[in-house]
Amino acid sequence: NAGVTQTPKFQVLKTGQSMTLQCAQDMNHNSMYWYRQDPGMGLRLIYYSASEGTTDKGEVPNGYNVSRLNKREFSLRLESAAPSQTSVYFCASMEGTARDGYTFGSGTRLTVV
Amino acid sequence: GDSVTQMEGPVTLSEEACLTINCTYTATGYPSLFWYVQYPGEGLQLLLKATKADDKGSNKGFEATYRKETTSFHLEKGSVQVSDSAVYFCALLLGVDYKLSFGAGTTVTVRA
Repeated sequence: NAGVTQTPKFQVLKTGQSMTLQCAQDMNHNSMYWYRQDPGMGLRLIYYSASEGTTDKGEVPNGYNVSRLNKREFSLRLESAAPSQTSVYFCASMEGTARDGYTFGSGTRLTVV
Repeated sequence: GDSVTQMEGPVTLSEEACLTINCTYTATGYPSLFWYVQYPGEGLQLLLKATKADDKGSNKGFEATYRKETTSFHLEKGSVQVSDSAVYFCALLLGVDYKLSFGAGTTVTVRA
């Protein structure tokens, strides 16, 4: 099925460990986004990539890095995980005219202990 | 900055009751407005949208009208079902980088 694929779906990390969340879309969308979802706070933008080769900080970028590997893939890296990064992470993509908003992946539930 | 405020939940309803979730926005320009729905354990799905003033978005029995004069985009459904139990997010999209700004979400539970 066409859409946004995120891996892994669940992950438990120890404080200080690193990991990369993977995201790929097969809809030929230009823009890709990483959000985190926390109870009572909605979704907050971490980083985004308006086009292949560009990345920009969102609202809550501290502690994260991203790579837009190609048009399809946009990864999120936690270099040294902290308990405050326990959250559900969503990747999304959008076609150029924005008329349909975003297409979201199913999320990665990350717990940092 | 651009922002969205939606009514706090949780909201609990009986089947066939009417549902209204209020959403207001603050934006410097003319945003597109969206409602997304998140069913338990899943990602967000687009429920409906409106791209200009007075547009009405509708889907699955839900409706919302883009009211520029009141900067609102309230979500309504006349008769809810148990399957409508979910978290609903209001969002606005504005700017050249097309970043969506979300409200905090409203959890709706419909009881049989």
